[in-house]
Parts: sequence; structure tokens; C-alpha cells
Amino acid sequence: DSGVTQTPKHLITATGQRVTLRCSPRSGDLSVYWYQQSLDQGLQFLIQYYNGEERAKGNILERFSAQQFPDLHSELNLSSLELGDSALYFCASSVTDLNSPLHFGNGTRLTVT
Amino acid sequence: EDKVVQSPLSLVVHEGDTVTLNCSYEVTNFRSLLWYKQEKKAPTFLFMLTSSGIEKKSGRLSSILDKKELFSILNITATQTGDSAIYLCAVEFPNQFYFGTGTSLTVIP
Repeated sequence: DSGVTQTPKHLITATGQRVTLRCSPRSGDLSVYWYQQSLDQGLQFLIQYYNGEERAKGNILERFSAQQFPDLHSELNLSSLELGDSALYFCASSVTDLNSPLHFGNGTRLTVT
Repeated sequence: EDKVVQSPLSLVVHEGDTVTLNCSYEVTNFRSLLWYKQEKKAPTFLFMLTSSGIEKKSGRLSSILDKKELFSILNITATQTGDSAIYLCAVEFPNQFYFGTGTSLTVIP
């Protein structure tokens, strides 16, 4: 168990809907990363927060947004969902944003029908 | 543009075999290179390499980084069925980790 908690484990929703994925980092970790993993594309970096501030953005769509709260938990909001958004969404945390390995949660599997 | 390329894509071996997984990257000035093992769900951390030529070992697994030739290898000796997984390589930049698509290893009893 990595200590990173993601909820929910599974989410099935229809196209056009909006969902929120939640992540609690390991105790003491200040940095949170969100990744999308689909079968054909591997782990794609979406966004990173450090101690409440956005630090880096990757291939994150405008329909997606995230935030990190004062208690360091993070939420990833996905709106106007499309079939292609179906994927496994991982949250990972690290102690700092320098030379610290990522520790991954078990992911949220999103299925858009 | 793939920054991290892993090979082979897939590997099937018998228990007891030794395997070498490769990770090459096309960038310089990165902070570290990491290896992860992904079974059914979350990738789990194996190694972080920051210096060239220094081998890291954990049981039957070992890894080394060559910053001059821009690659890293992950060795697994005396493979077991429990080693079956996807092995991911990642390169760390400020505020980002780029992952390769992984090598799928299947160990047959």
C-alpha cells in the first residue's frame, strides 16, 4: 500500500456529464501529480501541484481542471465527458518536487458510455 | 515525440531465466531516472538513479544508468512468476515525469 488514496475506484457515466476524482496524498507529501493511462498511450502527465499551487501542466484538456486544497488533498474535475476520456486516472504524490520518487494511488477507472 | 523509449515491448520467459529491460531517452539535463513495476493497478517504485555508472540493487533486481549513452537497464535474475508485470521507466524533469510505454514481462512456470 503506497499510502495514496484515490476515490472512487470505478466510475461509469454518460457522455456530456461531469465527474470529480479525489486523491489524498501520503502523509507528509506536498506534491501531487495526476496522470491518465489508456491502453494505447501509457501514462500521460496531466498536471502537478505543490503545496496548493499549480506547478506544471501537461497534456490536460481545457475540459479538465484540478486543484489542491489546504489539507493537500486534490481533486480532478472532468467535464463534458467524451467516449475517449475513458481511462485509468492515477494520482501520485511525492515529498517534494525535487528528486523524490512518485508514489501512486490505485487509480480511478472511468468509463464513459 | 517520445522522450522515453523502452524495449522490448513484450517479453516471455521461463522461471529462472535472467532478463534485461532497456530504457533509452532522448533528453539531457534531467534530474533522475526511475523504474516502476505495474501489476494490476498502481505502479510501484523500484529504483531512482541519479548518477551514471552506479548500480542499484534490490534482491534479484538491479539497475544502472549510463548518462553518456543515454540509457538505463533493469536486470532481473532468477525470474519468478511474481515478476510478471509491466515495467515502466520514467525520466524526471522539474515538476514532470515522462514515462515510457513500458515492457510487458510474462514469466511462465
